[in-house]
Amino acid sequence: KQEVTQIPAALSVPEGENLVLNCSFTDSAIYNLQWFRQDPGKGLTSLLLIQSSQREQTSGRLNASLDKSSGRSTLYIAASQPGDSATYLCAVRSGGSNYKLTFGKGTLLTVNP
Amino acid sequence: ETGVTQTPRHLVMGMTNKKSLKCEQHLGHNAMYWYKQSAKKPLELMFVYSLEERVENNSVPSRFSPECPNSSHLFLHLHTLQPEDSALYLCASRNADRPADTQYFGPGTRLTVL
Repeated sequence: KQEVTQIPAALSVPEGENLVLNCSFTDSAIYNLQWFRQDPGKGLTSLLLIQSSQREQTSGRLNASLDKSSGRSTLYIAASQPGDSATYLCAVRSGGSNYKLTFGKGTLLTVNP
Repeated sequence: ETGVTQTPRHLVMGMTNKKSLKCEQHLGHNAMYWYKQSAKKPLELMFVYSLEERVENNSVPSRFSPECPNSSHLFLHLHTLQPEDSALYLCASRNADRPADTQYFGPGTRLTVL
């Protein structure tokens, strides 16, 4: 059974800092890995999706890496801003046609002005 | 706005009530999902519908009853719920014909069971 762990559970940083969020998964037989953002009381917004054959994806100030063999992914946020404050969720997709996602508990990020 | 809407956004119900959650997607997708998000727990997949047929039921108690009348609408009928069922219920949709595509999530319904 796939399990996804995110470290740290919460992180508070001053504005402008670069930061790294970590995600690990137990079964390396994944189809892809995805990072989502969730604002309080809201749904999920997809940030980056890395296919199993890829090593990283970049979007603006965000960079996500994937090391499938070791079961790890990192989300790097450059020059953090208060608007980046949210919960960041990591999810892995197992094989099969139903697109089953297994989520971590998330990292609650607070960027202080 | 992701193109997936959910109503109501908030719901408070007693344990003997019957209510329904509604999800509607305007993206032309053909697969829809219900997730439960409880405090301090990961999102849990509840049900998957593909082409209006339920293809996965993730050991969900029978007090939760999904319905997918067409590819744009998904319901979750609730009856005789327990306080531990209080959570954020999220709907998602995707194009099942494109395996690499992501799921698009609605804003969720915050359910409180008294």
